[in-house]
Amino acid sequence: DAEITQSPRHKITETGRQVTLACHQTWNHNNMFWYRQDLGHGLRLIHYSYGVQDTNKGEVSDGYSVSRSNTEDLPLTLESAASSQTSVYFCASSPQGADYNEQFFGPGTRLTVL
Amino acid sequence: GQNIDQPTEMTATEGAIVQINCTYQTSGFNGLFWYQQHAGEAPTFLSYNVLDGLEEKGRFSSFLSRSKGYSYLLLKELQMKDSASYLCAVLDSNYQLIWGAGTKLIIKP
Repeated sequence: DAEITQSPRHKITETGRQVTLACHQTWNHNNMFWYRQDLGHGLRLIHYSYGVQDTNKGEVSDGYSVSRSNTEDLPLTLESAASSQTSVYFCASSPQGADYNEQFFGPGTRLTVL
Repeated sequence: GQNIDQPTEMTATEGAIVQINCTYQTSGFNGLFWYQQHAGEAPTFLSYNVLDGLEEKGRFSSFLSRSKGYSYLLLKELQMKDSASYLCAVLDSNYQLIWGAGTKLIIKP
């Protein structure tokens, strides 16, 4: 069955370290997204991609970067982790086309920055 | 700015009916989604409305009024497994999903 996976599921790191969160989908979806979810806030878009070599900044992109070298993967990198980046991170994907953009979510990565 | 409002928390009784409201103010509108999210899990898709009216899917129904910037999710014959957060999201003019903070629904026996 097609799926979307994230790794690691849990990560504890220290302030200032570089961290990369992996996202892999086997649906062959063109669109991929990274969100963070914090208590009291809705899902907030960090970065998104509409295809290979395409990346775009979302609402809360400062301190994060992504790259899209193939259809299946969109890794999220925190260049220098900060305590404010402690959150749950969700990756999502959706088929190409803007008419009906149901997004399929990965299981999430809980990141703690000490 | 863009804004989506939903109640923070609601409580209902097993077997009853509950309505979760969502109001929105966004730059453009290309559809409204409802997702369900159990604690510690990923959101999963429930419904999509782009035209005014009611869409029924089993025990769940979703209603949209574009002129009022309003939607609701109706859950019937509540079961304990319906205890979850319900997220409202609007697809704006740039085809970006704008998310509400979610409504935590607590079901009591």
